[in-house]
Parts: sequence; structure tokens; C-alpha cells
Amino acid sequence: SAVISQKPSRDICQRGTSLTIQCQVDSQVTMMFWYRQQPGQSLTLIATANQGSEATYESGFVIDKFPISRPNLTFSTLTVSNMSPEDSSIYLCSVLDKTALAKNIQYFGAGTRLSVL
Amino acid sequence: SQQGEEDPQALSIQEGENATMNCSYKTSINNLQWYRQNSGRGLVHLILIRSNEREKHSGRLRVTLDTSKKSSSLLITASRAADTASYFCATDYGGSQGNLIFGKGTTHSVKP
Repeated sequence: SAVISQKPSRDICQRGTSLTIQCQVDSQVTMMFWYRQQPGQSLTLIATANQGSEATYESGFVIDKFPISRPNLTFSTLTVSNMSPEDSSIYLCSVLDKTALAKNIQYFGAGTRLSVL
Repeated sequence: SQQGEEDPQALSIQEGENATMNCSYKTSINNLQWYRQNSGRGLVHLILIRSNEREKHSGRLRVTLDTSKKSSSLLITASRAADTASYFCATDYGGSQGNLIFGKGTTHSVKP
């Protein structure tokens, strides 16, 4: 299985600022995803990070608020822009590696716990 | 869109007891997966059951799937304190690659 490093692990930010979260994988993976997990809630998919092209966003999420980069097959970033307290959540990246592709089994980073004051 | 719904929302048992968590979903699926999330950590894949399977085992885990009722259960036998975590079901309904629908989760506490 892929090993995923996500950072920062947590941050406390001021309203109106932006935070960029990094996700590094130890092997090349086809697909990378970004999720949001609001306090006490389940995971909601924000977008699929596509290598070499714009990310594919789910309903309710827009590029201006959550710009995503994926410069290569092992790295992606998610930026939470112009933050408000409602953005306080855990943000998780996940990947599908080759062995799990057919089964759609995802491997997750440890998450970034974001608090916005 | 469909969403898995787990019950109970919270489960507290003594070490050594069995724990059962249930998941219901709304539309047809390719497979159903269970993940565990320890406090402050990411999700870890536990087990996958395909739509044409009815039961699957992995160590102390037993998963059942009833496609006619659109429901699944996860049984953890002889629970240990280390099993304390949140457990989520996730359904692969054959949409976009990688698009899993996660349930709300069951918070499971095991008392030593």
C-alpha cells in the first residue's frame, strides 16, 4: 500500500487568510483525492486532483475557494482560501494505487486539522 | 446522491465482547468497504465485500452484505481497547473512478 505524508498536521489560522496543505506519496499513483471531514461528521469529497490538468470538483466546491495543484504523480496541494470559521475541519488526501485501482480501495493521509478563528 | 448510514452512532462495550455495526445505503453498488479512523488520524481500509458476496472474514472482522436490504454489518469479535475508533462504511456505486460515498460513522469505545 502507498504511504502518504500530509502536512501540516494541524494549524490555527485567522479569518481571511489562506492555508496550503501538502500531500506526498511514496510511489506514483494514478488518482489523488481531497476530502473534508467536518467535526463529528463523515467525509465529503472535495475534488479529484488530476495530474497535468485542472482538478475535478464535486458539487458545492469551487476552484476559487479550494485551488488544487498536482504537478506530478506523487504530490498534490490543496489551498483553503479566504478562510472563515466554517472552514474548520479535517482535510484529508487519499490515493488509489495500482494494486487497489480495480477495487477502488483508497489509502489516506493522517489529515490536517484546521481551526479558523 | 446515495449515502451510507451507520448505526448505532456510538457503541461502548467491554473488552472481550463482540461489537456489531450496521450500514445502510440507497442505490446499487459494486462493492462496500469498511474503514477505521483512530482519533486524530486518517482512515485505514479494513475490508471490502463485493456486491456478489454475502459474507467475508478477515481476522477478527466479519462483514455481511444483504443487497436486497441494501445493508451491511461489521462484526468485531473479542474487542480490544485498541479497537477504539470510528468506523465508516463506504460504497462504490460505480460512478467516477475513486468516488466512494462514506457513511456518517460509528464511534466505538472499548473499555478495558
